[in-house]
Amino acid sequence: GAVVSQHPSWVICKSGTSVKIECRSLDFQATTMFWYRQFPKQSLMLMATSNEGSKATYEQGVEKDKFLINHASLTLSTLTVTSAHPEDSSFYICSARTFLTGELFFGEGSRLTVL
Amino acid sequence: DAKTTQPPSMDCAEGRAANLPCNHSTISGNEYVYWYRQIHSQGPQYIIHGLKNNETNEMASLIITEDRKSSTLILPHATLRDTAVYYCIVRVNLRDTGTASKLTFGTGTRLQVTL
Repeated sequence: GAVVSQHPSWVICKSGTSVKIECRSLDFQATTMFWYRQFPKQSLMLMATSNEGSKATYEQGVEKDKFLINHASLTLSTLTVTSAHPEDSSFYICSARTFLTGELFFGEGSRLTVL
Repeated sequence: DAKTTQPPSMDCAEGRAANLPCNHSTISGNEYVYWYRQIHSQGPQYIIHGLKNNETNEMASLIITEDRKSSTLILPHATLRDTAVYYCIVRVNLRDTGTASKLTFGTGTRLQVTL
């Protein structure tokens, strides 16, 4: 099946620093990518929808200036957590929608720990 | 997207069939039923989806009631590796683009397969 890769798979950073997470569709073109956040023992919460070449659409309550999303190509979207704080520690997951069939595939997730 | 209701947890003995129910009484005519699962600390994995007919693939079977208000995911011979949280999601056609193609996750059913 189609593969979506996230990098890094885990990251530890100090409070106040910015962290970038990459989401790549390895063998297909993705016109739309989605970013989710998941806290322990909770379900996935959609943060934003990004379309290639345009601004991301953020869900209610998600700060767009804190969670910067860039979808510069059909195979890459990035999520930057700016000025990270301990409450931003979470499991971040991306999914990509194939251009041809419309199916959705998920990355392996990136675990962020902010000290 | 229509809301779904799933039991929070279920147990199943290894080798037996696991039957996971899902209620989606407000499903619309153009909405599909999707099933994903999430093994601990991994991204969600697609299992199966259907519109109104029963579906089967190498992973599972999906039984949708005639009125489409509920469905059951069947894992015919559960193994320990099937222990995961299973999400039933209803959403519109795959061909819809942008934010319309997003998946909204509920709380899912935590399936524990035991020896």
